[in-house]
Amino acid sequence: DAGVTQSPTHLIKTRGQQVTLRCSPKSGHDTVSWYQQALGQGPQFIFQYYEEEERQRGNFPDRFSGHQFPNYSSELNVNALLLGDSALYLCASSSTTGLAATDTQYFGPGTRLTVL
Amino acid sequence: AQSVAQPEDQVNVAEGNPLTVKCTYSVSGNPYLFWYVQYPNRGLQFLLKYITGDNLVKGSYGFEAEFNKSQTSFHLKKPSALVSDSALYFCAVRDGDTGFQKLVFGTGTRLLVSP
Repeated sequence: DAGVTQSPTHLIKTRGQQVTLRCSPKSGHDTVSWYQQALGQGPQFIFQYYEEEERQRGNFPDRFSGHQFPNYSSELNVNALLLGDSALYLCASSSTTGLAATDTQYFGPGTRLTVL
Repeated sequence: AQSVAQPEDQVNVAEGNPLTVKCTYSVSGNPYLFWYVQYPNRGLQFLLKYITGDNLVKGSYGFEAEFNKSQTSFHLKKPSALVSDSALYFCAVRDGDTGFQKLVFGTGTRLLVSP
């Protein structure tokens, strides 16, 4: 049973560029959440997607946007990159409905984004 | 609004000794509490959770945690530490009275287990 997968593993961008990160949830999960973990900090909630819609959003600017596809996979897009966007971006999956409903979020290995 | 405090940046313990990593929380509704562990350059790995029921919950790798509602605490414990337990530990909370699953994390506690 595959867990949560994320791509790419590492990414280097320059200020002002745009980036897209990808996440595939654990089998049977329908909900995807994204978190930003800056160096030496705990993860900060960006937003959560369920049924292809943004269900909840944290305190992040509109430069951060996302999408969920019919197969439950998700993308995180960040526009106009700033140096402060350098962080580990974590995707977590869970299940909101059905027999697999669970309160536990399972995390992927993350994408390390460096903005120069 | 939810919040989590992990008062110790680092906990040092000798192998074979018991360990405790502290966590206190604040949430307006019913607390759902979680512990995760993070190894270097890795994502977060789920250890255990408290949703309801017995205040003492058991999780992976011999870890357990005790929910204390009056002290709003959820300390992580293990009777006998292993060197391989050395890692970064995060406590997290969500409001169980809402349908949303947003987790709020603490700043993490680094556990160092010496041989």
